[in-house]
Amino acid sequence: GDSVTQMEGPVTLSEEAFLTINCTYTATGYPSLFWYVQYPGEGLQLLLKATKADDKGSNKGFEATYRKETTSFHLEKGSVQVSDSAVYFCALTIQGAQKLVFGQGTRLTINP
Amino acid sequence: NAGVTQTPKFQVLKTGQSMTLQCAQDMNHEYMSWYRQDPGMGLRLIHYSVGAGITDQGEVPNGYNVSRSTTEDFPLRLLSAAPSQTSVYFCASSFMNTEAFFGQGTRLTVV
Repeated sequence: GDSVTQMEGPVTLSEEAFLTINCTYTATGYPSLFWYVQYPGEGLQLLLKATKADDKGSNKGFEATYRKETTSFHLEKGSVQVSDSAVYFCALTIQGAQKLVFGQGTRLTINP
Repeated sequence: NAGVTQTPKFQVLKTGQSMTLQCAQDMNHEYMSWYRQDPGMGLRLIHYSVGAGITDQGEVPNGYNVSRSTTEDFPLRLLSAAPSQTSVYFCASSFMNTEAFFGQGTRLTVV
């Protein structure tokens, strides 16, 4: 079946550090890939997405590239801020089906 | 716009009690879904609906019922609560093949 695997957390970094959160997927069709972010006490918000191979999604300084050859969609940011502290979820949907399949989430804490 | 509104935000139930978690959206989305979030397991799909009058089961449907009488509303019913249903519940809505919008969640504790 379809699945998403994220790097184990929690992750703690200092402000201005480089961030990578790994995400790999298994899918039977042609998935769209997403990163959602959950700030404390809130619901999930879409951070970025990519709908086909080699697409790069970007938002708020975060980037992720859809790599079909490695079935990956790693999240990166060059310089994190304290306000980036949140839980990050990688997810996929299969074309024609709206059901989201989530990874287990990675809790990120940024220290000043 | 209100977006996706869930009520209540917090609830404590005793084992065996029933309750309904409410979800409403004002974006005219045809697709609505319920997820539960448990530590270390991400979000898992409980039930979903592709339009009024149409519902289907997700990954973890046991113990939950849904109905979709209108485009706007998609309530989730727990008929006989169990401690294993202690979780945070999220409702989401979207147009087909577009991003999902999530409510703020309902934290449910079953004692």
